[in-house]
Amino acid sequence: DVKVTQSSRYLVKRTGEKVFLECVQDMDHENMFWYRQDPGLGLRLIYFSYDVKMKEKGDIPEGYSVSREKKERFSLILESASTNQTSMYLCASSFHRDRGSEQYFGPGTRLTVT
Amino acid sequence: RKEVEQDPGPFNVPEGATVAFNCTYSNSASQSFFWYRQDCRKEPKLLMSVYSSGNEDGRFTAQLNRASQYISLLIRDSKLSDSATYLCVVKIGGSYIPTFGRGTSLIVHP
Repeated sequence: DVKVTQSSRYLVKRTGEKVFLECVQDMDHENMFWYRQDPGLGLRLIYFSYDVKMKEKGDIPEGYSVSREKKERFSLILESASTNQTSMYLCASSFHRDRGSEQYFGPGTRLTVT
Repeated sequence: RKEVEQDPGPFNVPEGATVAFNCTYSNSASQSFFWYRQDCRKEPKLLMSVYSSGNEDGRFTAQLNRASQYISLLIRDSKLSDSATYLCVVKIGGSYIPTFGRGTSLIVHP
C-alpha cells in the first residue's frame, strides 16, 4: 500500500513564525505536490516537484517555499505565517507522468495561524 | 470558464437509491480521468479511474464522453457510508499536474 505521511495533523502557530510542514512517501514516486484546501475553493496547488531538487510553482506560491533534498521527502515552508494561511494542507505523490497519474494523499495538516 | 466543473450539490438521497454525478472539462487534450472520494476532514482517496470504454467497480460505474467532454459517476444501491464529497480529476496528456473539480457532496439518509 502506498503511504504518504505528514509531520503533524494539527498545528497552531503565531503570526510571523516560520512554519515547516513535512511530507514523506514510501513508494518511490517521482512527483510530489503541496495543496491547500479551503471551503468553497477546492484544492489549490501551491508547489510541486518532479525530481529531487526540482520545484515548480503552482497556482498560489506566494508566501510559501519548498524543499526536496531527498526523493521521498517534500517540505513546505511558510517563511512568515499569516492568518490568511490558516488552512488544511495536503501533500500528494504520484509516479512520473508517463506511468499514470493517480495521486496519493497524506492525511493533511490543519494549520491555524493566530 | 472553469477547467473542470461539478455541481456542488448536495445530492440528498435515501438509502438504496441510484444517484449520478456529472463532471465537465474544457480542455480537449485531457487524457486521464479519475473520481476521488473525500470524507469530511479527511484526505481525498482514489475511487476509480475512468476508461474510454467505461468501467465498473461493484456498485460504482464510471463513463467518459469525449465528444461532449464530460465524465460521469453512477452509484447504485446507495449506502449511508457513501456519504462524502466526490471529486472529479482530469489530466492533460504529458502534464504532471491533474486538475481537480471542487467536488459534489452526497448525503445518503436512512
